[in-house]
Amino acid sequence: GAVVSQHPSWVICKSGTSVKIECRSLDFQATTMFWYRQFPKQSLMLMATSNEGSKATYEQGVEKDKFLINHASLTLSTLTVTSAHPEDSSFYICSARDLGGPSPYEQYFGPGTRLTVT
Amino acid sequence: AQSVTQLGSHVSVSEGALVLLRCNYSSSVPPYLFWYVQYPNQGLQLLLKYTSAATLVKGINGFEAEFKKSETSFHLTKPSAHMSDAAEYFCAVSPRDDKIIFGKGTRLHILP
Repeated sequence: GAVVSQHPSWVICKSGTSVKIECRSLDFQATTMFWYRQFPKQSLMLMATSNEGSKATYEQGVEKDKFLINHASLTLSTLTVTSAHPEDSSFYICSARDLGGPSPYEQYFGPGTRLTVT
Repeated sequence: AQSVTQLGSHVSVSEGALVLLRCNYSSSVPPYLFWYVQYPNQGLQLLLKYTSAATLVKGINGFEAEFKKSETSFHLTKPSAHMSDAAEYFCAVSPRDDKIIFGKGTRLHILP
């Protein structure tokens, strides 16, 4: 149980285009979803927190107009990188939490999406 | 504020030897503590978690960790390293119902 999927697993896009990454909770309702960014050989950096039906809360220094997050349902959150540039190339990982479940404090992580902007 | 410090960005042990990965935390409230493992180009897999029950926590793949409040530590151990244990390990703290704060990670190398 508590499986989180991400799609695509990797994507290559041209500079200036937008790319959407999906995060789905497959067998539970994700009341809260988190988006992280991970640079090579570094730790995870929290980008934003989203609650279903509400606007995302972005961490300091994260451009909300560049990284659009939508959490329209209890099983799906999307991250859209708008007008992507090579410096946006990174590994993006989502996680989900079910506040009404047996482990409300635990986050379940997706497998990650490798974004390369050329 | 909560924080996590992992001592040693790289740790090398021989196959069959004891694995010890160190983690110290800072938290203003009783925390939840986690250890995650990450293999290259993959997401995070939960190894074990402390949620204020038993202080000695057993996880998957033979790993365990002990919560020591007096030392604010949550070190990860495994009695006998296996080649498949080579990966990046992250210690994390959560002040409950809030974000998870990750340490910088420790790369574990297993020597044949």
